[in-house]
Amino acid sequence: NAGVTQTPKFRVLKTGQSMTLLCAQDMNHEYMYWYRQDPGMGLRLIHYSVGEGTTAKGEVPDGYNVSRLKKQNFLLGLESAAPSQTSVYFCASSYSSRLYGYTFGSGTRLTVV
Amino acid sequence: AQKVTQAQTEISVVEKEDVTLDCVYETRDTTYYLFWYKQPPSGELVFLIRRNSFDEQNEISGRYSWNFQKSTSSFNFTITASQVVDSAVYFCALIDQTGANNLFFGTGTRLTVIP
Repeated sequence: NAGVTQTPKFRVLKTGQSMTLLCAQDMNHEYMYWYRQDPGMGLRLIHYSVGEGTTAKGEVPDGYNVSRLKKQNFLLGLESAAPSQTSVYFCASSYSSRLYGYTFGSGTRLTVV
Repeated sequence: AQKVTQAQTEISVVEKEDVTLDCVYETRDTTYYLFWYKQPPSGELVFLIRRNSFDEQNEISGRYSWNFQKSTSSFNFTITASQVVDSAVYFCALIDQTGANNLFFGTGTRLTVIP
């Protein structure tokens, strides 16, 4: 019972490099989310998806792109990484009712140097 | 716009003491949901409780209890007889309709339980 799986768990990037974070869920959830966690700021929503083929901007979308080509996967892309994107990234998923809280992945710690 | 305030940035208590973590929220919706999550040092986010705006009954689960008061827009979390394993960051969060039904977090309270 994997739940929500994020890969990779750790990554160091140089400024200007690109990368993709993968989130996979096996619970048949309709909704998926990407958050970033920074010290003193809690978790902030980057992008979210309400179903396969759909995406929407959250609170802090700049510098990120996402895709939801398959229901079980939600990809977060950084086209040109900046030091300000150093953070811990969490993926989450939920049922369509969105009333029971989210199931979170274990996080990806990204450092941009 | 919705807002969740956790004014206590860090709290330290000695083991077996009781501790209350405060959460104050703002929303214009009459239907909303409040949550508490725990983030232990290992980093994962653990769901603790969900409350809807129509249910003001307090809830107790073992050493944990929650006090929801709509009159003061607060959803406080109390740990009784704290233990070292309670050391973590605790987040209060809100889902309302104005926020596109997305989960909106407070900034968290870091609790340290000293043995």
